Amino acid sequence: EVQLVQSGAEVKKPGESLNISCKGSGYSFTTNWIGWVRQTPGKGLEWVGIIYPGDSDTRYSPSFEGQVTISADKSITTAYLHWSSLKASDTAMYYCVRRHDTYWGFAYWGQGTLVTVSS
Amino acid sequence: SYELTQPPSVSVSPGQTARITCSGDALPKQYSYWYHQKPGQAPVLLIYKDSERSSGIPERFSGSSSGTTVTLTISGVQAEDEADYYCQSTDNSGTYWVFGGGTKLTVL
Repeated sequence: EVQLVQSGAEVKKPGESLNISCKGSGYSFTTNWIGWVRQTPGKGLEWVGIIYPGDSDTRYSPSFEGQVTISADKSITTAYLHWSSLKASDTAMYYCVRRHDTYWGFAYWGQGTLVTVSS
Repeated sequence: SYELTQPPSVSVSPGQTARITCSGDALPKQYSYWYHQKPGQAPVLLIYKDSERSSGIPERFSGSSSGTTVTLTISGVQAEDEADYYCQSTDNSGTYWVFGGGTKLTVL
C-alpha cells in the first residue's frame, strides 16, 4: 500500500528556517515523482513543485521558484520542503503528493502539514 | 503565468445533474484532472486524462473535454457530493502544473 506520511504541524516566527518532510513507503521511491501542494487558509490548491528522487530533477512553480527548496533523501525514502527565511504569507497547509503508477494526476496525498508563521 | 478558470460556486438539488467547468488555453493540448476535497480532508483524485475515472470513484462522476473547456459532470447528485472541486492541468510545455481556483458545490 502506497503511503505518504508527513511531519507534524509547525509554528515558527518570520525569518526562521524550516524543513517539513514526507516519508514514502509501499512503492519504489527512487522511480516516482513526488511533489508538494500548498493550500492557504480558506483558499484553493497551488502546485509548489516536484522532484524525481532518482536523479534529483526538480521543477518549481514560477510562483515558488527561489522561495522554497525541494529535496529528497533516497536512503530514507523521504522528500523535504525547505524554507530559509519564512514569511507570514507562508502560513498554509502543505501536502506531499505522488502520481499514480500509470498516469499523471496526484492519486496519493499525504495527510498534510500545517505551517503557521507568526510573530 | 498559466491559469485555469472555474466558477466559484455551483448549486444543485439532490438527484439533479451538476456540471463544473474549467477553462484554459492549453487544455486542447494537455490532459485535465479533477479532484474533490471535503472539509478537513486531503483532496481525492476523481478523473484523470480528461475522462477516466480513478479507482473506486462512482460512475456518477464523469469528465469531458471540448476545446479550451473541460467539464466535470456529476449525475444524480447526492448530499455527500457537497465539497470543493478542483481541476488541474499543465501549461503548454507540460512542465508546470496548475490548479483551477476551485468550485464549491452546494447540494440544496
